[in-house]
Amino acid sequence: EPEVTQTPSHQVTQMGQEVILRCVPISNHLYFYWYRQILGQKVEFLVSFYNNEISEKSEIFDDQFSVERPDGSNFTLKIRSTKLEDSAMYFCENRGIGETQYFGPGTRLLVL
Amino acid sequence: ELKVEQNPLFLSMQEGKNYTIYCNYSTTSDRLYWYRQDPGKSLESLFVLLSNGAVKQEGRLMASLDTKARLSTLHITAAVHDLSATYFCAALQGGSEKLVFGKGTKLTVNP
Repeated sequence: EPEVTQTPSHQVTQMGQEVILRCVPISNHLYFYWYRQILGQKVEFLVSFYNNEISEKSEIFDDQFSVERPDGSNFTLKIRSTKLEDSAMYFCENRGIGETQYFGPGTRLLVL
Repeated sequence: ELKVEQNPLFLSMQEGKNYTIYCNYSTTSDRLYWYRQDPGKSLESLFVLLSNGAVKQEGRLMASLDTKARLSTLHITAAVHDLSATYFCAALQGGSEKLVFGKGTKLTVNP
């Protein structure tokens, strides 16, 4: 069974610091998505990414956020200056051609 | 803007019983998804429903879609403890890649 992995699994940071969350996709699966889930709440779409470009982003995905595939493999989500309200679980999703969705295990981010 | 409403938000049921979780969405959507999430874990894809009248079944779970009513249901048959989890539905916003999730239904199946 193909698997998406994410690192780190947990990150604690101080408010105002930058964090980078990483997602290792499945080979040849070229559609990428980031979601976040504040503890105990619903899942929220952040951004979709294909062919090295953002294809869509939500209103949550403001200038503090960015995504890229710096080495053509890992897919990263960067938060430039974290805020308390960025504390959440962040999930990466990866898709190939077709409907099958593969979610990573998530990164739990805590901003103090 | 697409809104997705799930109910109930909490469901406690006994093993062996049947129940249905409802998912309403406010505007036209191309796809409807159901997911399971265990505490502290990621999302597990259960079903994707693409067209009106679509019905999919896996084990004790069956999902259906009525696009005219903008309603999807997840029916649980003869529940077992292992089905205890939070279940989310999500609809794809029309002409978009944005998935809009419901708030989730926390299901507890008691022995």
